[in-house]
Amino acid sequence: EPEVTQTPSHQVTQMGQEVILRCVPISNHLYFYWYRQILGQKVEFLVSFYNNEISEKSEIFDDQFSVERPDGSNFTLKIRSTKLEDSAMYFCASNRRVGNEQFFGPGTRLTVL
Amino acid sequence: AQSVTQLDSQVPVFEEAPVELRCNYSSSVSVYLFWYVQYPNQGLQLLLKYLSGSTLVESINGFEAEFNKSQTSFHLRKPSVHISDTAEYFCAVSLYNQGGKLIFGQGTELSVKP
Repeated sequence: EPEVTQTPSHQVTQMGQEVILRCVPISNHLYFYWYRQILGQKVEFLVSFYNNEISEKSEIFDDQFSVERPDGSNFTLKIRSTKLEDSAMYFCASNRRVGNEQFFGPGTRLTVL
Repeated sequence: AQSVTQLDSQVPVFEEAPVELRCNYSSSVSVYLFWYVQYPNQGLQLLLKYLSGSTLVESINGFEAEFNKSQTSFHLRKPSVHISDTAEYFCAVSLYNQGGKLIFGQGTELSVKP
């Protein structure tokens, strides 16, 4: 059964450093998403991506964040200068059509020291 | 603005007892409704969904949820829980014809005890 994969599973970084979180969505999906879950809090939407451009982003997704689909398979989230409050679990998701269920990856736990 | 409220942060229950996890939403437009489950140290897995049609939807492992438009609710039920149902359960909505992002509730931690 196809699945969304994410790497790395755990990333530890120093405050101010850049990080890139990687995702491989399901191959025939067209819509891609990033969410985050700060420990003990709810899952929050960050950004959605379709047809090689951002279709929607939340208030959290400020200029420090960017997304890219550099090739036909990967979907990346970059944080340019990490802050302590960026520490969270980051989930990638994809689906074939808007409104269909989204398939989630296992997440990347980002720890900013 | 749209929102999802899960009224119970924790629900402890004994094995083989029934359980209901409550979810209410607020939206000015039609929504799709989902329940996701998160087992310890794992990602989110879809449990069941309501897109259209019958308001009662069922999962393969015995859970069911009923969409109640007048009460804007989508409560999750199971008549007899197992130890393996212990997990965090998230209710989520996406807005009809509007982008597809999921708006999640706070989650309910279901703890099934022997």
